[in-house]
Amino acid sequence: GDSVTQMEGPVTLSEEAFLTINCTYTATGYPSLFWYVQYPGEGLQLLLKATKADDKGSNKGFEATYRKETTSFHLEKGSVQVSDSAVYFCALYYPNTGNQFYFGTGTSLTVIP
Amino acid sequence: ETGVTQTPRHLVMGMTNKKSLKCEQHLGHNAMYWYKQSAKKPLELMFVYSLEERVENNSVPSRFSPECPNSSHLFLHLHTLQPEDSALYLCASSQGWGENNSPLHFGNGTRLTVT
Repeated sequence: GDSVTQMEGPVTLSEEAFLTINCTYTATGYPSLFWYVQYPGEGLQLLLKATKADDKGSNKGFEATYRKETTSFHLEKGSVQVSDSAVYFCALYYPNTGNQFYFGTGTSLTVIP
Repeated sequence: ETGVTQTPRHLVMGMTNKKSLKCEQHLGHNAMYWYKQSAKKPLELMFVYSLEERVENNSVPSRFSPECPNSSHLFLHLHTLQPEDSALYLCASSQGWGENNSPLHFGNGTRLTVT
Protein backbone atom coordinates (compact mmCIF):
# COMPACT_ATOMS: atom_id res chain seq x y z
CA GLY A 1 0.00 0.00 0.00
CA ASP A 2 0.88 3.64 0.00
CA SER A 3 3.35 4.77 2.63
CA VAL A 4 6.07 7.20 3.59
CA THR A 5 9.41 6.25 5.14
CA GLN A 6 11.57 8.80 6.90
CA MET A 7 15.06 8.46 8.24
CA GLU A 8 15.27 7.52 11.88
CA GLY A 9 16.09 10.24 14.32
CA PRO A 10 16.96 11.97 16.41
CA VAL A 11 19.32 14.14 14.43
CA THR A 12 21.66 16.52 16.25
CA LEU A 13 23.58 19.18 14.34
CA SER A 14 25.69 22.18 15.17
CA GLU A 15 24.45 25.59 14.10
CA GLU A 16 25.24 26.41 10.44
CA ALA A 17 25.62 22.74 9.54
CA PHE A 18 24.02 21.26 6.42
CA LEU A 19 20.81 19.34 6.95
CA THR A 20 19.38 16.43 5.01
CA ILE A 21 16.37 14.46 6.18
CA ASN A 22 15.58 11.56 3.87
CA CYS A 23 12.07 10.69 2.80
CA THR A 24 11.01 8.00 0.37
CA TYR A 25 7.52 6.98 -0.57
CA THR A 26 5.57 4.12 -2.02
CA ALA A 27 2.59 5.09 -4.09
CA THR A 28 0.44 3.62 -6.81
CA GLY A 29 -0.36 6.95 -8.44
CA TYR A 30 1.04 10.45 -8.63
CA PRO A 31 0.72 12.04 -5.21
CA SER A 32 1.56 15.50 -4.01
CA LEU A 33 4.35 15.57 -1.44
CA PHE A 34 4.63 17.72 1.65
CA TRP A 35 6.94 18.49 4.52
CA TYR A 36 5.36 19.55 7.77
CA VAL A 37 7.21 20.85 10.84
CA GLN A 38 6.14 20.55 14.47
CA TYR A 39 7.78 22.87 16.99
CA PRO A 40 7.71 21.90 20.67
CA GLY A 41 4.25 22.16 22.15
CA GLU A 42 2.59 22.99 18.84
CA GLY A 43 0.70 21.31 16.05
CA LEU A 44 2.05 20.59 12.59
CA GLN A 45 2.67 23.45 10.18
CA LEU A 46 3.04 23.13 6.45
CA LEU A 47 6.67 23.84 5.54
CA LEU A 48 6.71 23.21 1.79
CA LYS A 49 5.10 21.13 -0.90
CA ALA A 50 5.58 19.82 -4.44
CA THR A 51 2.78 18.63 -6.66
CA LYS A 52 4.51 16.90 -9.57
CA ALA A 53 7.75 15.28 -10.57
CA ASP A 54 10.81 17.56 -10.62
CA ASP A 55 8.99 20.30 -8.73
CA LYS A 56 11.04 21.92 -5.99
CA GLY A 57 9.29 23.17 -2.88
CA SER A 58 11.05 25.78 -0.79
CA ASN A 59 10.38 27.87 2.29
CA LYS A 60 12.47 29.46 5.08
CA GLY A 61 15.69 28.18 3.51
CA PHE A 62 14.43 24.60 3.31
CA GLU A 63 14.14 22.83 -0.02
CA ALA A 64 12.90 19.48 -1.29
CA THR A 65 12.69 18.15 -4.84
CA TYR A 66 10.08 15.65 -6.00
CA ARG A 67 12.11 12.81 -7.53
CA LYS A 68 9.83 10.34 -9.24
CA GLU A 69 12.69 8.11 -10.46
CA THR A 70 13.91 7.52 -6.91
CA THR A 71 10.51 8.04 -5.23
CA SER A 72 12.12 10.50 -2.85
CA PHE A 73 11.46 13.93 -1.38
CA HIS A 74 14.49 14.66 0.79
CA LEU A 75 14.47 17.82 2.90
CA GLU A 76 17.59 19.98 2.83
CA LYS A 77 18.82 23.21 4.37
CA GLY A 78 22.22 24.70 3.81
CA SER A 79 22.74 26.27 7.24
CA VAL A 80 20.55 25.31 10.17
CA GLN A 81 19.76 27.52 13.13
CA VAL A 82 18.85 26.72 16.71
CA SER A 83 15.30 27.83 15.91
CA ASP A 84 15.01 24.99 13.38
CA SER A 85 14.92 22.47 16.22
CA ALA A 86 11.65 20.62 15.72
CA VAL A 87 10.14 17.40 14.43
CA TYR A 88 9.81 17.14 10.65
CA PHE A 89 7.15 15.02 8.94
CA CYS A 90 7.09 13.93 5.35
CA ALA A 91 3.64 13.30 3.88
CA LEU A 92 2.02 12.32 0.63
CA TYR A 93 -1.43 13.22 -0.55
CA TYR A 94 -3.66 12.18 -3.43
CA PRO A 95 -5.78 15.08 -4.63
CA ASN A 96 -9.27 14.38 -5.86
CA THR A 97 -9.50 10.99 -4.22
CA GLY A 98 -10.59 11.89 -0.74
CA ASN A 99 -8.47 12.57 2.25
CA GLN A 100 -5.54 10.33 1.47
CA PHE A 101 -2.83 11.94 3.56
CA TYR A 102 -0.08 9.51 4.57
CA PHE A 103 2.42 10.76 7.14
CA GLY A 104 5.83 9.46 8.06
CA THR A 105 6.80 8.85 11.69
CA GLY A 106 8.65 12.14 11.97
CA THR A 107 12.35 13.00 12.40
CA SER A 108 13.43 14.98 15.43
CA LEU A 109 16.08 17.62 14.79
CA THR A 110 18.05 19.36 17.53
CA VAL A 111 20.42 22.18 16.58
CA ILE A 112 23.01 23.11 19.17
CA PRO A 113 24.79 26.49 19.29
CA GLU B 1 -6.97 34.27 16.82
CA THR B 2 -4.81 31.57 15.35
CA GLY B 3 -6.23 29.55 12.48
CA VAL B 4 -7.16 26.39 14.38
CA THR B 5 -7.69 26.52 18.13
CA GLN B 6 -7.93 23.48 20.37
CA THR B 7 -8.99 23.30 24.00
CA PRO B 8 -7.96 22.16 26.47
CA ARG B 9 -4.22 21.99 25.84
CA HIS B 10 -3.79 19.30 28.46
CA LEU B 11 -6.26 16.83 29.91
CA VAL B 12 -5.86 14.12 32.52
CA MET B 13 -8.80 11.78 32.97
CA GLY B 14 -9.59 8.54 34.65
CA MET B 15 -10.85 5.55 32.78
CA THR B 16 -14.43 6.09 33.93
CA ASN B 17 -14.62 9.81 33.15
CA LYS B 18 -16.39 11.52 30.29
CA LYS B 19 -14.73 14.52 28.71
CA SER B 20 -14.78 16.41 25.42
CA LEU B 21 -12.11 17.97 23.25
CA LYS B 22 -12.99 21.10 21.32
CA CYS B 23 -11.65 22.45 18.07
CA GLU B 24 -12.52 25.71 16.32
CA GLN B 25 -11.20 26.94 12.99
CA HIS B 26 -11.21 30.58 11.83
CA LEU B 27 -10.05 29.95 8.28
CA GLY B 28 -13.37 29.55 6.51
CA HIS B 29 -12.57 25.93 5.72
CA ASN B 30 -15.25 23.35 5.15
CA ALA B 31 -13.47 20.13 6.15
CA MET B 32 -12.26 19.19 9.61
CA TYR B 33 -10.26 16.24 10.92
CA TRP B 34 -9.20 14.48 14.10
CA TYR B 35 -5.77 12.86 14.20
CA LYS B 36 -4.07 10.87 16.95
CA GLN B 37 -0.32 11.35 17.40
CA SER B 38 1.52 8.72 19.40
CA ALA B 39 5.27 8.49 19.90
CA LYS B 40 7.20 6.84 17.07
CA LYS B 41 4.06 6.15 15.02
CA PRO B 42 2.67 7.90 11.96
CA LEU B 43 -0.22 10.24 12.51
CA GLU B 44 -3.44 8.24 12.62
CA LEU B 45 -6.47 9.72 10.94
CA MET B 46 -9.52 9.18 13.16
CA PHE B 47 -12.39 11.15 11.62
CA VAL B 48 -13.08 13.45 8.71
CA TYR B 49 -16.02 15.82 8.34
CA SER B 50 -16.78 17.59 5.11
CA LEU B 51 -19.55 20.20 5.12
CA GLU B 52 -20.48 18.97 8.60
CA GLU B 53 -21.06 15.43 7.41
CA ARG B 54 -18.86 12.59 8.51
CA VAL B 55 -17.13 11.16 5.45
CA GLU B 56 -14.51 8.91 6.94
CA ASN B 57 -14.11 6.91 10.12
CA ASN B 58 -10.99 4.80 10.27
CA SER B 59 -12.31 2.02 12.49
CA VAL B 60 -11.98 4.08 15.64
CA PRO B 61 -13.30 2.50 18.86
CA SER B 62 -16.74 3.67 19.91
CA ARG B 63 -15.34 5.20 23.10
CA PHE B 64 -14.39 8.09 20.79
CA SER B 65 -17.41 9.97 19.47
CA PRO B 66 -17.04 12.98 17.15
CA GLU B 67 -19.49 15.80 16.66
CA CYS B 68 -19.45 18.56 14.07
CA PRO B 69 -22.30 21.03 14.69
CA ASN B 70 -21.11 23.48 12.00
CA SER B 71 -18.19 23.97 9.66
CA SER B 72 -16.19 25.92 12.25
CA HIS B 73 -16.47 23.60 15.24
CA LEU B 74 -15.49 20.03 15.91
CA PHE B 75 -15.70 18.02 19.11
CA LEU B 76 -14.34 14.69 20.23
CA HIS B 77 -16.32 13.15 23.07
CA LEU B 78 -14.42 10.68 25.21
CA HIS B 79 -15.74 8.03 27.58
CA THR B 80 -14.35 4.95 29.29
CA LEU B 81 -10.95 5.42 27.71
CA GLN B 82 -7.98 3.09 28.13
CA PRO B 83 -4.41 4.03 29.14
CA GLU B 84 -3.24 3.28 25.58
CA ASP B 85 -5.46 6.13 24.40
CA SER B 86 -3.02 8.58 25.97
CA ALA B 87 -1.64 10.66 23.10
CA LEU B 88 -1.66 14.05 21.45
CA TYR B 89 -4.95 14.63 19.65
CA LEU B 90 -4.68 17.01 16.75
CA CYS B 91 -7.47 18.80 14.97
CA ALA B 92 -6.97 20.00 11.42
CA SER B 93 -8.97 21.77 8.75
CA SER B 94 -8.73 22.22 5.01
CA GLN B 95 -10.52 23.99 2.22
CA GLY B 96 -12.37 21.15 0.66
CA TRP B 97 -11.92 17.45 1.12
CA GLY B 98 -10.36 15.57 -1.72
CA GLU B 99 -9.63 18.73 -3.66
CA ASN B 100 -6.40 19.63 -5.37
CA ASN B 101 -3.48 20.22 -3.09
CA SER B 102 -5.49 21.51 -0.17
CA PRO B 103 -3.04 21.30 2.71
CA LEU B 104 -4.06 20.59 6.26
CA HIS B 105 -3.91 23.34 8.86
CA PHE B 106 -3.38 21.93 12.34
CA GLY B 107 -4.19 23.14 15.83
CA ASN B 108 -1.67 22.83 18.67
CA GLY B 109 -3.29 19.68 19.96
CA THR B 110 -4.66 18.39 23.25
CA ARG B 111 -2.24 16.26 25.28
CA LEU B 112 -4.44 13.55 26.79
CA THR B 113 -3.34 11.33 29.65
CA VAL B 114 -5.59 8.49 30.76
CA THR B 115 -4.87 7.18 34.26
